[in-house]
Amino acid sequence: AQKVTQAQTEISVVEKEDVTLDCVYETRDTTYYLFWYKQPPSGELVFLIRRNSFDEQNEISGRYSWNFQKSTSSFNFTITASQVVDSAVYFCALSEQTSNTGKLIFGQGTTLQVKP
Amino acid sequence: SAVISQKPSRDICQRGTSLTIQCQVDSQVTMMFWYRQQPGQSLTLIATANQGSEATYESGFVIDKFPISRPNLTFSTLTVSNMSPEDSSIYLCSVIRDLPYNEQFFGPGTRLTVL
Repeated sequence: AQKVTQAQTEISVVEKEDVTLDCVYETRDTTYYLFWYKQPPSGELVFLIRRNSFDEQNEISGRYSWNFQKSTSSFNFTITASQVVDSAVYFCALSEQTSNTGKLIFGQGTTLQVKP
Repeated sequence: SAVISQKPSRDICQRGTSLTIQCQVDSQVTMMFWYRQQPGQSLTLIATANQGSEATYESGFVIDKFPISRPNLTFSTLTVSNMSPEDSSIYLCSVIRDLPYNEQFFGPGTRLTVL
């Protein structure tokens, strides 16, 4: 069965600190996609990244970076030099390709608070 | 990406009534979905809105409670029927423009409070 676990419920950091959000997933599919979304207090879900299971290269986008490791079934998200505007709930999600339904399985989310 | 709008953005409703939420996309998309996010919780898929046919519901969700329409490739509605306070949630529609890339984008959500 597919499952996404974000063990960190809440994280609080001071501005300019680096912070890593953990995501561990379970799936029997060999082909799947992993996602990160940001949900600021306004409630809208903002797409951050999609990674397919065949691409284990790490990705960097500005202050954001993602570390995908199939060996440990993890897809962790690091924010470098955090800012107050990074305060939000972050969701990791999984989509299995075999069924091709597009269905997303979400983790429970990690609430990040960045203090000035 | 896709520009997705939802109406209403929020509503306060009385127990026993129904509310229809609209989702409009700026261009044709392959797939449309409806998710529910209960207070302080993660997102749960309610159903896949199928164009021209009945929606595909996830376990725990039924058509009588959450009827869904998708008359074309850019529009869908979700009705929350016979509401109770437990239905108080954010309801979000999402779309996938092209398979198999599966980039899924979400609308701004509808915040529903049932009294």
